[in-house]
Formats: sequence, structure tokens, C-alpha cells
Amino acid sequence: NAGVTQTPKFQVLKTGQSMTLQCAQDMNHNSMYWYRQDPGMGLRLIYYSASEGTTDKGEVPNGYNVSRLNKREFSLRLESAAPSQTSVYFCASSEAQNYGYTFGSGTRLTVV
Amino acid sequence: LAKTTQPISMDSYEGQEVNITCSHNNIATNDYITWYQQFPSQGPRFIIQGYKTKVTNEVASLFIPADRKSSTLSLPRVSLSDTAVYYCLVSTLNTPLVFGKGTRLSVIA
Repeated sequence: NAGVTQTPKFQVLKTGQSMTLQCAQDMNHNSMYWYRQDPGMGLRLIYYSASEGTTDKGEVPNGYNVSRLNKREFSLRLESAAPSQTSVYFCASSEAQNYGYTFGSGTRLTVV
Repeated sequence: LAKTTQPISMDSYEGQEVNITCSHNNIATNDYITWYQQFPSQGPRFIIQGYKTKVTNEVASLFIPADRKSSTLSLPRVSLSDTAVYYCLVSTLNTPLVFGKGTRLSVIA
């Protein structure tokens, strides 16, 4: 049982490049989330999907887009990467929005 | 959403009991208190959740007084492997979890 799988684990981008972070869960969870974590900081919510077919903005959505491809997959896209988006990105899923989150192992992104 | 306040950091020696207190003065009637643990280079993982009084599992205990304006996570006999960041969160129905900066616990040999 893999839980939540994120790819890639590491990525270096040049300013202005685009990329998509992938996330997949195999627990049949309804809700999925993208957080970012900067050094010494807690996690900040970027976007979430309460259920298949819906997405909503979190605390820090600017510069990002998301796609809930199906119940299993939730991707995060950076259209034009900026150094301020250098961070560790965590995907999570849960049965309910306020309970039982399972996190992936993270994607460490550096924008130069 | 109810805001939480917890110490930025704590140190403890191995074998001691560690208590981390969190305040959440404006917690709503239907909110739960949830704690997560995060090791370096890993995502957070769920530790314990409670509504009132005391909850215990194999990892920790959670004490919540009657007014529910604070809670205390208790880790019995910590070891070096308990070094991590501990997050106190207020869980609100149909609302994603909001993580603060947490408490960085350092366990010393």
C-alpha cells in the first residue's frame, strides 16, 4: 500500500520555466491538498480539492494552478516559475477535509 | 478558524516525559483538536485527536480541559527518535487543516 506518491522528489528549474508536480493516492480518499513548506515555517495550503471535480484556493494560490484529474490524482502546475517558489511541496489526501491526512514524502523544488 | 499558539521550541533529555501545551481560545463547539508530528525531510503524520477530557494511544496522550481553550500533548519517556516538529491544529468540519509553525522538540542524550 503506497499511500500518497509524489513525483519528482527533486527538481531544479530556471526562472520562467514551467513544470507540473504529480500526486497520486491509492486510499480511495475524497479530498486532496497541496501545501508548501519554507525553511523554519509551517505548511501553507496552496490549493485543495474537496472531492473529484472540485478545486479551491488555499492561503497562497498565486502562481499555481491545479487539476484534479480523477479521484486518485491531483497535480500542481507552475506556469512560470519564480525564485520565491523555491520550497518543499507536500501533497496530502484524506477521507474528510478536517481528519486523517496522509502526506507524501515531498518534492524539493529550487528555482534559480 | 480558531488560531493556535504553541511554544516555538523545547528541549528534553531522553527518558523524560514531555508536555507541549497549545492554546486555542476561540475554538468552536464542533471543532476537534488534532496533533501532527513531522520528522526532517518527511511529511507530517497524524499523532492524536480529541474533543474533550483525555485521549490516549500507543504514541501519546492528549489532555483537554473542560473549557477546551487549551490542550496538552504528552509524550511519555521520549527518545532521540522523538526529535521532530509537533503541530497543534484545530479541526473544523469541511475545512482544510491549517498548520502553524509548530513546536520543535529536541531530545538530548
